[in-house]
Amino acid sequence: DAMVIQNPRYQVTQFGKPVTLSCSQTLNHNVMYWYQQKSSQAPKLLFHYYDKDFNNEADTPDNFQSRRPNTSFCFLDIRSPGLGDAAMYLCATSRAWTGDNYGYTFGSGTRLTVV
Amino acid sequence: GNSVTQMEGPVTLSEEAFLTINCTYTATGYPSLFWYVQYPGEGLQLLLKATKADDKGSNKGFEATYRKETTSFHLEKGSVQVSDSAVYFCALLLISGGYNKLIFGAGTRLAVHP
Repeated sequence: DAMVIQNPRYQVTQFGKPVTLSCSQTLNHNVMYWYQQKSSQAPKLLFHYYDKDFNNEADTPDNFQSRRPNTSFCFLDIRSPGLGDAAMYLCATSRAWTGDNYGYTFGSGTRLTVV
Repeated sequence: GNSVTQMEGPVTLSEEAFLTINCTYTATGYPSLFWYVQYPGEGLQLLLKATKADDKGSNKGFEATYRKETTSFHLEKGSVQVSDSAVYFCALLLISGGYNKLIFGAGTRLAVHP
């Protein structure tokens, strides 16, 4: 089945130690998104890739970076995690706008704990 | 600006009770509207959607109707089950620069007791 896969499901990292979360898709969608969801809050868009074009949300901290080496994979890098970065990180994909509303397909998320 | 407002939770119901979760939106243009469900420890799953005014989305006994005049998309189910316990997110979809941008409400937690 075509899907969006996030690894790992759970990640524990040390305060200040760089960490990378990964997302892969078999849907061949143009657009890949990263959302941060803190406990009991709505998902918040961090950034997205439209093909190779990177688009950062205005309020995304510089501590968060992303890479998309090919259509299938996208990575979220947190350069120096702080305790406030503990959250569920959700990857999603969608097709580029073609006159219909495809919506998103979400992965199962990676829960990040910072110790 | 573009935003989604949901009723605050938690909503606590007995099994077989009627469910309504209110959702209203503010948007430029005519967005598509969605309900997503999130079970504990999981990602988001699409529950239903509506793409234009007066459309009704439905899935697994849940329904929501896109009401342009009241800018609302309330979620309803006639008889809830314990397995419906989850967090429900209302969202609107904007088209911006050739891609789709989902904007979520704060979520409403539903707890159904036997």
